[in-house]
Amino acid sequence: QKEVEQNSGPLSVPEGAIASLNCTYSDRVSQSFFWYRQYSGKSPELIMSIYSNGDKEDGRFTAQLNKASQYVSLLIRDSQPSDSATYLCAVSAQGGSEKLVFGKGTKLTVNP
Amino acid sequence: DTEVTQTPKHLVMGMTNKKSLKCEQHMGHRAMYWYKQKAKKPPELMFVYSYEKLSINESVPSRFSPECPNSSLLNLHLHALQPEDSALYLCASTPEPLLAASTDTQYFGPGTRLTVL
Repeated sequence: QKEVEQNSGPLSVPEGAIASLNCTYSDRVSQSFFWYRQYSGKSPELIMSIYSNGDKEDGRFTAQLNKASQYVSLLIRDSQPSDSATYLCAVSAQGGSEKLVFGKGTKLTVNP
Repeated sequence: DTEVTQTPKHLVMGMTNKKSLKCEQHMGHRAMYWYKQKAKKPPELMFVYSYEKLSINESVPSRFSPECPNSSLLNLHLHALQPEDSALYLCASTPEPLLAASTDTQYFGPGTRLTVL
């Protein structure tokens, strides 16, 4: 059973701080990794994708991937109250499967 | 056009009703997905259509019946639902089916909030 684990939180950070969200996965041959942001009552919105080991930066967001440790993280710099949401980690399963496996999500609250 | 649309936004139905959810994308994507999401849970995959053919059915009860009339349109027909089927139903699409080493990303529609009375 392929699994994706996230700390459920809630994670609370002050405005302007760095928020760090973590995700581990069990399938060693997973290839594609995604971070989605979901506001309450809304659909998931893709904010980052990463496929290679290392860091990938997009504005205030940095995704980090370490395939040896089966670990992917999302850093949010200069956190804003508008970043308050649930962040879902998703991993593309290997072997021709057409599925994304989602973690249970981490609820982030950024306090003004 | 870079979005997935879903109608209706909200739906309330009784357990004896028959209704349908509709999903549309005009991005030329060849894979489309139905997910169910309960409150405070991650999306749960229901069905995958690849090139207009059903490729994955995650053991979904037969009261949910998917249909893919063409490459842009995906329907979910609902019949004799139960109150526990109340949830947010999400449609998603990808340029190609999510295969190994694919760099395609999955785009979600806004969802249909379904309430079964």
